[in-house]
This record gives sequence, C-alpha cells and structure tokens, in this order.
Amino acid sequence: EAGVVQSPRYKIIEKKQPVAFWCNPISGHNTLYWYLQNLGQGPELLIRYENEEAVDDSQLPKDRFSAERLKGVDSTLKIQPAELGDSAVYLCASSDRTGADTQYFGPGTRLTVL
Amino acid sequence: AQSVTQPDIHITVSEGASLELRCNYSYGATPYLFWYVQSPGQGLQLLLKYFSGDTLVQGIKGFEAEFKRSQSSFNLRKPSVHWSDAAEYFCAGRNAGNNRKLIWGLGTSLAVNP
Repeated sequence: EAGVVQSPRYKIIEKKQPVAFWCNPISGHNTLYWYLQNLGQGPELLIRYENEEAVDDSQLPKDRFSAERLKGVDSTLKIQPAELGDSAVYLCASSDRTGADTQYFGPGTRLTVL
Repeated sequence: AQSVTQPDIHITVSEGASLELRCNYSYGATPYLFWYVQSPGQGLQLLLKYFSGDTLVQGIKGFEAEFKRSQSSFNLRKPSVHWSDAAEYFCAGRNAGNNRKLIWGLGTSLAVNP
C-alpha cells in the first residue's frame, strides 16, 4: 500500500513569491493534516481536514496561508506571499478513525525562502 | 493542561549498548501514546503506539515501549543500538475521545558512537 505522497520534496523561492505544496493521503484515510516543522523542533499543526471540511485551522496564519481539499482526497497548501520565516519543512499526514487514529506522515517538503 | 515531555534533548550511546528514551505525559484519562522516528531529511515514521491492552508494546526495528500509568511514562527502549538508529525521536499523545489533536514532545536527538 502506498504511503502519504508529497511534492515537491524541496523548494527554493525568493521572498514575496507564492508557493504551493501537494499531498495525497493514504487511500481510504478521511483525515488529513498539514504540519509545519522548524529545524530541531517537533511538528506544529496547521490544519486538519475531515474529508473536505477543515475542522481545525486555528493555527493556520490565514493572512498568507491557505489550504484546500476539494474532493476530500488530495490537498494543497499555499503560501502567498512567502516570508523568510516560512523556511521550514511542511509535513502532511493522514489517518483513519480506527484504533488509535494513528497518523502516518509523508516525507515532507523542505521550503527555503531567500 | 495536556502535555508531553521528553526530558532529554540529546543522548549519545555506543553501538551495541542499550537505549532508553524518556517520555512523560500529563493527561486526565487514558492516553493514546506514540513514538515516531525522524531520520535527517525524512518524514516521521511510526515506531509503535499504545492505546489499550498490554502495557508493553513492541514496535518496528527492535524497539519497545512500556506504558506506566503510575509514573505517567511511556519510555522507549532498545536492547542493542545500531548505528542506523541515529535520528530524532518524538513522543506524542492524545486523549481517547473526540479531541484528536496530538500533543508532541520536543524530541530527543540520538547519536550513536561506533
């Protein structure tokens, strides 16, 4: 079974430019998460989707960040415009509601803003 | 407030030595607890999880963890460390129930000496 797929793996952009990240969760997983991870720190939740509904976006900086999951499967996270402080790894995870609702992570996208 | 604490920021062990990484949690009810590992440039990989049943949990790569309610701990152990175990280890937890937000520890960086 394929895991969580993310693209691109790496992205380098100039500040004030837009950037988008894509995530395809594990098949059958209704819940999708976007996290931000700064160097040497743990993941910080940005947004959680249940199917196509964003049920927790309280930590998403809505002035520049947006996300969508239109058909309840894959998702896109966008930053516009990017700032130097946005340099980080953006992780996507998915889960189903069985057992402990375990989250499975993709490889992440490392963003560098110059 | 719910919290997960990893007291050790960095640990160094010799290859072949035993390993124990500490994790303490603060939850009102029975928690769901997880250990993840992150190698440089990679996403988070689930090592093991506890949500019910036997308090000694076996995971991948020869790791195990024991849930001790009396000590509010969920320490990760491995009897003999391999050089490839060098990575960042994260403990995470949440309450059983509808609040599915994971609380993350800050991570423990493991270095392995040859």
